[in-house]
Amino acid sequence: SYELAQPPSVSVSPGQTASILCSGDKLGDKYASWYQQKPGQSPVLVIYQDRKRPSGIPERFSGSNSGNTATLTISGTQAMDEADYYCQAWDSSTWVFGGGTKLTVL
Amino acid sequence: EVQLMESGGGLVQPGGSLRLSCAASGFTFTNYAMGWVRQAPGKGLEWVSAIRGNGGTTYYADSVKGRFTVSRDNSKKTLYLQMHSLRAEDTAVYYCAKFSKIHDYGDDFDYWGQGTLVTVSA
Repeated sequence: SYELAQPPSVSVSPGQTASILCSGDKLGDKYASWYQQKPGQSPVLVIYQDRKRPSGIPERFSGSNSGNTATLTISGTQAMDEADYYCQAWDSSTWVFGGGTKLTVL
Repeated sequence: EVQLMESGGGLVQPGGSLRLSCAASGFTFTNYAMGWVRQAPGKGLEWVSAIRGNGGTTYYADSVKGRFTVSRDNSKKTLYLQMHSLRAEDTAVYYCAKFSKIHDYGDDFDYWGQGTLVTVSA
């Protein structure tokens, strides 16, 4: 079965750039999506089709996907961006999530 | 405004059954595939099941195949998840989610419900 791997945690200072990686076999051949989940809340789609932002998602969120790695980049990170982030991709009629990365803004 | 509202969660004994519902509004329900995603306490997201807009095709994670059944009633704009032979490891918040792509399965979920907690314990 297909697997996506994420680092458990990433730390960033306010105003700096945070990068969260997601790795999977030939992930670049698939579309990667990213979800933000704050404590006690439902997930929110922040990036789809590798690099597209849904309406209402700030421009500081961007994405890329190539080779075996998809990357979520948050530029000018704000305290409100502290959350868990999950990557996700579709493979063989299954929708696979990465294990999640806790982003700490300190 | 798209809204998804799950219900039906609760405490159930191991081996028991439960049916979850998800009431949808704010979009043409029949045009979109829907899915169920769960999250065990303190854990990550796990896709559970998906169903096409016309209910004609369904998919399941290996962990629930043969025990869970997804269905939908488009006249009621409601998605269901019938769960049988429940195990302790099925304990989780269950979210219903809408696929973003119209008329077919897509790669991502653009709207999520608030979730309903299922606890499997004696």
